[in-house]
Formats: sequence, structure tokens, C-alpha cells
Amino acid sequence: EAGVAQSPRYKIIEKRQSVAFWCNPISGHATLYWYQQILGQGPKLLIQFQNNGVVDDSQLPKDRFSAERLKGVDSTLKIQPAKLEDSAVYLCASSLGIVDQPQHFGDGTRLSIL
Amino acid sequence: AQSVTQLGSHVSVSEGALVLLRCNYSSSVPPYLFWYVQYPNQGLQLLLKYTSAATLVKGINGFEAEFKKSETSFHLTKPSAHMSDAAEYFCAVSKTGANNLFFGTGTRLTVIP
Repeated sequence: EAGVAQSPRYKIIEKRQSVAFWCNPISGHATLYWYQQILGQGPKLLIQFQNNGVVDDSQLPKDRFSAERLKGVDSTLKIQPAKLEDSAVYLCASSLGIVDQPQHFGDGTRLSIL
Repeated sequence: AQSVTQLGSHVSVSEGALVLLRCNYSSSVPPYLFWYVQYPNQGLQLLLKYTSAATLVKGINGFEAEFKKSETSFHLTKPSAHMSDAAEYFCAVSKTGANNLFFGTGTRLTVIP
């Protein structure tokens, strides 16, 4: 089965610019997650979708970050405007959403803010 | 609240030696526990998971972990390290199964030939 696809793999922007990341989960996976992984740290959940509805966005900085999953499949994560502290790897993961079924991760997008 | 603590940000072992990566958890309810591995420039791959069945969990690539409630630990072991085991390892906890994972800060494993 195809894994979680993310693009782009790398992105370099200047602070105050905007950026968007795209994620295509594994087919049939109802739950989609976006994580932020800062260098030297473990991934931190930003937002969780169940189909096209938001389940948890308590750690999403809503003044600058937004995410959507309009048709319950693909998802985009946007940052506007970017700050230096947003430099990180942004990981997308998906799961069947059933208890005990693991999350499957994409290779991530490495964002560098100049 | 859920959290995990990984003791040792860097661990070095010789090829063929025992691998022991430590993880202690904090959870207000019986936890689900996971170990993930991350190779450079890649996402996380599930090694194994504990979901309240057997306390000794066997995973992929020869890894296993033992859930010890009395010690609130879920340490990862492998009897004999291989060069290909060099990677970053993350312990994670959840109270709701695969959702709402809280990750530790990771342990970088170096294998010395």
C-alpha cells in the first residue's frame, strides 16, 4: 500500500512570508494528524482531523497557523506569517482512527525560516 | 496528563552489543505505549506497541519492550545491535489508543563497528 505522501520535502522562506504544506494520507484512513518536530525534540501534535472535522487543535497557534481537510482526504497546513521559531519538520500522519491502530507517518517537510 | 521521559539523549553501543533505551511514562489512566524509530530525513516508523495485552511486546527488527507498571517504565531492548539500527528512537504514550500521542524527546542511537 502507498504510504503517507507529503510535499514539498524542503522549503526555505524568509520570516513574515507565507508557506503551505500538503499531505495525502493512506487510502481509507479517516484520521489525519499534523505534527511539528523542532530539532532535538519529539513531534508535537498541531491538529487532528477525523474525516473532514477537527478533533483536536488545542496546540495549533491559530493566529498564524491554519489547516483544512475539505473532502476528508488530502490536507493542507498553512503558516502566515512565518516566524523564525517555526523552523522545524512538519510531519503528517494518518490512521484508521480505531483504537489500537497505529499512526503511519510521511517523510515530512523541512521548513527553514531565514 | 500524559508524558514520557527518555533517559539519555544519546546512546552508543558496539555492534553486537545489547541495546537498551529507557522510557518512563506518566499517565492518569492505563496507558497505550509505543516505540517509533526515525531514520535521517524520514518520518517515524512504528517499532512496537503496548495495548494492555502481554507485558512483553515484540516488535520489528528484533526489538522488544517490557511494560512494568510498578516502575512506570517501557524500556526498549535488542540483544545484538546492528549497524542499521543507528537512528533516533522515540517513546510515546497515549490514553486513547493510537490518537493523542505524546512523544518523548528522543534518543539517538549510535552503533560503533
